[in-house]
Amino acid sequence: QLLEQSPQFLSIQEGENLTVYCNSSSVFSSLQWYRQEPGEGPVLLIALYKAGELTSNGRLTAQFGITRKDSFLNISASIPSDVGIYFCAGQRANNNDMRFGAGTRLTVKP
Amino acid sequence: NAGVTQTPKFQVLKTGQSMTLQCAQDMNHEYMSWYRQDPGMGLRLIHYSVGAGITDQGEVPNGYNVSRSTTEDFPLRLLSAAPSQTSVYFCASRESGRGYNEQFFGPGTRLTVL
Repeated sequence: QLLEQSPQFLSIQEGENLTVYCNSSSVFSSLQWYRQEPGEGPVLLIALYKAGELTSNGRLTAQFGITRKDSFLNISASIPSDVGIYFCAGQRANNNDMRFGAGTRLTVKP
Repeated sequence: NAGVTQTPKFQVLKTGQSMTLQCAQDMNHEYMSWYRQDPGMGLRLIHYSVGAGITDQGEVPNGYNVSRSTTEDFPLRLLSAAPSQTSVYFCASRESGRGYNEQFFGPGTRLTVL
């Protein structure tokens, strides 16, 4: 897998914070985080394209590593509707395709 | 706008049969791609296209063919279905280029090969 995600599974209590990690040995021109709900296609949450960039979208915060090889996604004050599979996806500098990590399956207990 | 549409939603094939998964987008996106999703493996790129008449292979292209005769349509053909091709297939599209380009996904086609 070009992009390694961890953890693979995450089960937390409502209100807790969580962090998902994405690492690679390759350099990416952009790194995106998607969420997939059951029976649907992934939907973009946050996109990063500058080294070291820190971006927020509501309760979500993500950062692109300074080497452009890694990223994390943090979700604060989790709620039950945050459940789903979270994917990181990267576009390499000299390539047109976009590759996905294996995903992190999140469960939030009320 | 309908976004990215896929047909059929569900399909059952017998080993050796062929079929075409349809994908269309109405956003005038140059870039389109096909992924398959299997448990624990995320989305793996099958084929992609950067414009009409231009296609290229992704991570797992074997057993699949694509063509891009128009900007709107990007069908995926299974030449001789095998049980290993049982999966959920997603089509996606985005604007081309290497900047920030959100990728839009269709609802998926759930394929079972017996």
